[in-house]
Amino acid sequence: GAVVSQHPSWVICKSGTSVKIECRSLDFQATTMFWYRQFPKQSLMLMATSNEGSKATYEQGVEKDKFLINHASLTLSTLTVTSAHPEDSSFYICSASIGSNQPQHFGDGTRLSIL
Amino acid sequence: QKEVEQNSGPLSVPEGAIASLNCTYSDRGSQSFFWYRQYSGKSPELIMSIYSNGDKEDGRFTAQLNKASQYVSLLIRDSQPSDSATYLCAVIKVPRQKLVFGTGTRLLVSP
Repeated sequence: GAVVSQHPSWVICKSGTSVKIECRSLDFQATTMFWYRQFPKQSLMLMATSNEGSKATYEQGVEKDKFLINHASLTLSTLTVTSAHPEDSSFYICSASIGSNQPQHFGDGTRLSIL
Repeated sequence: QKEVEQNSGPLSVPEGAIASLNCTYSDRGSQSFFWYRQYSGKSPELIMSIYSNGDKEDGRFTAQLNKASQYVSLLIRDSQPSDSATYLCAVIKVPRQKLVFGTGTRLLVSP
């Protein structure tokens, strides 16, 4: 149980392109979904927290106009990296939680490479 | 003081030995504690959750929690080379329900 599906696994695209990443909870309803970014050999960095039907809460230093998050249903959240540049290249990982004090279950991640 | 502290390692143990991973946290009000395993280039995978003082066992894994000492540990019995990974301790920080990760301990199990 508690399977989170993230798509796509890999994206390679040109600078200036917008990229959308999907995160789905397959066998449970996620009241809260989270988006992380991880650079090589570094810790996970929380970018934002999203609750279904409300605006995402972004962490300090994360540009909300660049990283658009939509949480349209209890099983789907999307992250759109707008006008991506090479410095946005990273490993993006989503997670989902059933509720308060419950563990987060992670998707397999999306490796984004901007040329 | 970091919110969640772990020794970065690497912790090297021979196959079949017990690996002991430790973690301390600073927020005394924390209620939920987790251990995740992350292989290189992959996303974290939940191994154990623990919410109350004492031990919790699941197969070869035992999580231990001591809230008075603000200390969480993970024991891996009969360590296998496939257990070689980075182990992340994570704590839910109230009231925002934010999951705070330690930097992880790299475990190397040699055949």
